[in-house]
Amino acid sequence: DPKIIQKPKYLVAVTGSEKILICEQYLGHNAMYWYRQSAKKPLEFMFSYSYQKLMDNQTASSRFQPQSSKKNHLDLQITALKPDDSATYFCASSQGQNSDYTFGSGTRLLVI
Amino acid sequence: QQQVRQSPQSLTVWEGETAILNCSYEDSTFNYFPWYQQFPGEGPALLISIRSVSDKKEDGRFTIFFNKREKKLSLHITDSQPGDSATYFCAASAETGGYKVVFGSGTRLLVSP
Repeated sequence: DPKIIQKPKYLVAVTGSEKILICEQYLGHNAMYWYRQSAKKPLEFMFSYSYQKLMDNQTASSRFQPQSSKKNHLDLQITALKPDDSATYFCASSQGQNSDYTFGSGTRLLVI
Repeated sequence: QQQVRQSPQSLTVWEGETAILNCSYEDSTFNYFPWYQQFPGEGPALLISIRSVSDKKEDGRFTIFFNKREKKLSLHITDSQPGDSATYFCAASAETGGYKVVFGSGTRLLVSP
């Protein structure tokens, strides 16, 4: 059984639209993250949350908004989508900081 | 500014050879160095990790060598197998660095049979 569930696996969106990427982890971890992977910037850190609180934000654009409704959920809302947002978005989790990550299988986003 | 650098960008070895993947970093506060393996279409998976109090960590065919003074580390894969063909990411984090792990740009390894 997958320990981190990301939905959807593939997503095609129109420029200017809004999408939500879903992430749930069943590892009992207290920290969750979003990373973006593209040909230009492999595994680029975006956000980190601990106990549902934002710890670090390295995303310059406010179009990216993480949402944590439960302690094992960290969704990513992206508004006003641009073709440059096309990438694979990975959710990850860990127990505490400075420790091993477990990654989900990613959501592949294509903005046309 | 790239805090974690990896070389080479890609590497091809024959089955049975030892593959050596290199990593260097700039931030002297980094004290935890995991290596992740990623196959196409999948998320990265933790392969092996080392903390700065050690200079070597071994797990089966995978060994990390760590040189704190030079801020360098390397991943050695002995008796390479075609199934080891993947992209390998070196990463780093600091105890005081918050909840962020910084990744290098990866080394794409191809093991030819």
